[in-house]
Amino acid sequence: DIVMTQTPLSSPVTLGQPASISCRSSQGLVHSDGNTYLSWLQQRPGQPPRLLIYKISDRFSGVPDRFSGSGAGTDFTLEISRVEAEDVAVYYCMQGSQFPYTFGQGTRLEI
Amino acid sequence: QVRLDQWGAGVLKPSETLSLNCAVYGGSFSGYYWTWIRQPPGKGLEWIGEINHSGSTNYSPSLKSRLTISVDTSKNQFSLQLSSVTAADTAVYHCARRVDYNNSIDSWGQGTLVTVSS
Repeated sequence: DIVMTQTPLSSPVTLGQPASISCRSSQGLVHSDGNTYLSWLQQRPGQPPRLLIYKISDRFSGVPDRFSGSGAGTDFTLEISRVEAEDVAVYYCMQGSQFPYTFGQGTRLEI
Repeated sequence: QVRLDQWGAGVLKPSETLSLNCAVYGGSFSGYYWTWIRQPPGKGLEWIGEINHSGSTNYSPSLKSRLTISVDTSKNQFSLQLSSVTAADTAVYHCARRVDYNNSIDSWGQGTLVTVSS
C-alpha cells in the first residue's frame, strides 16, 4: 500500500494569514495513464469530508480560490492564501493512483 | 446535485455481519464508482472498496476476505457487508461517489456510526 504522510499534524493559524500543509507519498503517484491522482479533502467537525482539490491542483466546483494545490512525484502541498474562520477543519490528502486508495493521517487546522 | 442517503444497523456483537445500504438520488448512477470509506472515532479515513453500475468491484486487500459490496441498479442503491466483525471494525462508515475520470471522491453520505461491542 502507498503510505501518505502529512505534516504538520496540527497547525495553529492566524485569521487572514496563509497556511500550508504538506503530503508525501511513499512512492510516486503517476498513474499508468500519465495522470497523478492526488486530492485534498476538508472535514469540518461533525461533517463528512468535502472534496477541495483533485489531480494535484484542480479546484473542485464551489471551492474558494484561496485554496490551491501543487506538487509532483511524491511531494504535494495544500495552501490557503488567507485563512478564514470557516477553514477550521481537518485536512486529508488522498491518493487515487493505486489500489487500495489511501489517505494521509489528517492535519488539524486550529485558529 | 447528487445526494447519498445511507442506513443500517448501528450496534453489532462480535462475529456478526455489518450491513449498510446507500441510496443515490440525483445525477447518473452509471459512470461512477460507488465507494465505502470508514473512519474510527477520532481517527483518519480508510478506503474499504467500491463498485460500479456493472458490478465491477475493487476491494481493500486487508478486508477482502470479509467484504462484499453489491449494487442494485433498479433502485440506484449499493450495499456493504462485512462479516465476522470485531471491535476494530467500530467506525463511522461513509458511502461516497468516486469520479472515474479523476479518481476523486466528490460526494459523501452523512456517515453511519457502527459500534461493535459484546
